[in-house]
Amino acid sequence: DAKTTQPNSMESNEEEPVHLPCNHSTISGTDYIHWYRQLPSQGPEYVIHGLTSNVNNRMASLAIAEDRKSSTLILHRATLRDAAVYYCILTVTGGYKYIFGTGTRLKVLA
Amino acid sequence: NAGVTQTPKFQVLKTGQSMTLQCAQDMNHEYMSWYRQDPGMGLRLIHYSVGAGITDQGEVPNGYNVSRSTTEDFPLRLLSAAPSQTSVYFCASSSRRGRGTGELFFGEGSRLTVL
Repeated sequence: DAKTTQPNSMESNEEEPVHLPCNHSTISGTDYIHWYRQLPSQGPEYVIHGLTSNVNNRMASLAIAEDRKSSTLILHRATLRDAAVYYCILTVTGGYKYIFGTGTRLKVLA
Repeated sequence: NAGVTQTPKFQVLKTGQSMTLQCAQDMNHEYMSWYRQDPGMGLRLIHYSVGAGITDQGEVPNGYNVSRSTTEDFPLRLLSAAPSQTSVYFCASSSRRGRGTGELFFGEGSRLTVL
């Protein structure tokens, strides 16, 4: 299964954009890129996913490199409620192994 | 909406005891899975199922059994609990329609302590 690499932690100021990077150099052509986040003492929640094109939803944007070996989750205006651990995951179409790594702990400063 | 329901939320066991963590979903999702999360760590996949009667192993299956007799339920059994199984356990489900693209819905977790 393809692996992802993320920084252990990042900090951001409130109301500023945040760019969370993820490397997935062994990604295959049919792997989807998912992002989840886990707030303190809660189960993970879905943020966004994509295959090749950049994606936007009400929570965030996902920018995928042209070679698909990396991606970036963009929170346009960080709030204190966005402080969480963010996980970048690859899922294989036709398979159902959602393998979580250690994630990036985002700290938002007031 | 109930979503994914896990019971119990908290459990303390003695080494060697057995127990079952229950997971039920009311979204008619084909895919269900179990994860464990140790303190300060990410989630590790234990077992998963793509439909009734079908289960498969994840990253850390040893010491755990699962079965899937209905679409709604996916219990996780610990046959002989060990202190190394002290963890928070999360159940998740997803629609198979996405075939790997579906959104995972998680339960609130079950905190297990093995003495």
